Amino acid sequence: NAGVTQTPKFRVLKTGQSMTLLCAQDMNHEYMYWYRQDPGMGLRLIHYSVGEGTTAKGEVPDGYNVSRLKKQNFLLGLESAAPSQTSVYFCATIDRGLPTYEQYFGPGTRLTVT
Amino acid sequence: KNQVEQSPQSLIILEGKNCTLQCNYTVSPFSNLRWYKQDTGRGPVSLTIMTFSENTKSNGRYTATLDADTKQSSLHITASQLSDSASYICVVSAQDYKLSFGAGTTVTVRA
Repeated sequence: NAGVTQTPKFRVLKTGQSMTLLCAQDMNHEYMYWYRQDPGMGLRLIHYSVGEGTTAKGEVPDGYNVSRLKKQNFLLGLESAAPSQTSVYFCATIDRGLPTYEQYFGPGTRLTVT
Repeated sequence: KNQVEQSPQSLIILEGKNCTLQCNYTVSPFSNLRWYKQDTGRGPVSLTIMTFSENTKSNGRYTATLDADTKQSSLHITASQLSDSASYICVVSAQDYKLSFGAGTTVTVRA
């Protein structure tokens, strides 16, 4: 099993450009999350999904959109990138089958917006 | 607002020594508390998960404690190794599957 994978690993964008980050999981988990991690701060939730076809806003959703057309994929889109979106982005899934619902993270995508 | 505060922000220890990291939280209603290890350039990996009724849990040389009354947790690393150099993140989960993350403690182990 690959677990949680993220594509791409690195990306440099110019202000105003758009891009899509892909998160894929092969564990059949219902819940998927997108976080951003910035220096000196804890991971902050951008958007999440509790199942195929559903999405919800997290703590810092502005400037991002998401889609969950297939259960195994969760896409994060930046419509018009800004330097403030320079960050490391992590995707995560939750196994609700466990009482403590273990959370699994992808390896991250490092995005720089110039 | 749910908050998770970790201390210290960073620490340096010599190989073979022990250290303890602290976590205070205000998350409510509480479901469970996790400690994650995050190596540089990698995603966080779970070390321990404790529910309300558990006050200690071990994973090898890592031992986590939880005092749900005072809303405090600690992570103790015994006989540190160079591979323990990483960021350690305290994460508290509410009962709606939303998680609150601390900023992490960066541990550097030196030979």
